Amino acid sequence: SQQGEEDPQALSIQEGENATMNCSYKTSINNLQWYRQNSGRGLVHLILIRSNEREKHSGRLRVTLDTSKKSSSLLITASRAADTASYFCAPAERGGYALNFGKGTSLLVTP
Amino acid sequence: DGGITQSPKYLFRKEGQNVTLSCEQNLNHDAMYWYRQDPGQGLRLIYYSQIVNDFQKGDIAEGYSVSREKKESFPLTVTSAQKNPTAFYLCASSIVPSNQPQHFGDGTRLSIL
Repeated sequence: SQQGEEDPQALSIQEGENATMNCSYKTSINNLQWYRQNSGRGLVHLILIRSNEREKHSGRLRVTLDTSKKSSSLLITASRAADTASYFCAPAERGGYALNFGKGTSLLVTP
Repeated sequence: DGGITQSPKYLFRKEGQNVTLSCEQNLNHDAMYWYRQDPGQGLRLIYYSQIVNDFQKGDIAEGYSVSREKKESFPLTVTSAQKNPTAFYLCASSIVPSNQPQHFGDGTRLSIL
């Protein structure tokens, strides 16, 4: 299975600002998922976007998917200090046996 | 509440010793996974299982073993053959097919004495 690559590796913003993270992948997918990991904890699933969708919203999260460019972005609007975490994308292949996570984007939101 | 429980949270291993990490889920999921995470790195798949009594090697299975005798349980043994076992180990589960969202435990941190 393929791995997603997140960009940037690290991002530091102030509360109230928007945070944008990008993900690139290499082959065809069934869906793409985003996860959050707080320090020392497990990953938490945030949102899944299917290959035939272009945009999806969940609360302050907005995910876009461009299958022609094999890329996705995660936008967190009006960031809060509690959003400080690492964010991972996981492209899921059709018929894939597992997800493959990249190294993630480390987001720091300062008050 | 449904979820995944990993134990212990911290584990120490002496050289030449095997240790077993526990993972239990009550989500009625068929698929379970073990990942290894090193500092500043992503997750690497060690083993996965899509059904009881069956499991497959992931990308870094050498030095590890698993069993899946019950749907709820997927223990991971770190053997003495794993020369660099210090890492954060995460267990996850999902419905099948395995390209669906995964639910994670809170991990076990393994260190070498």
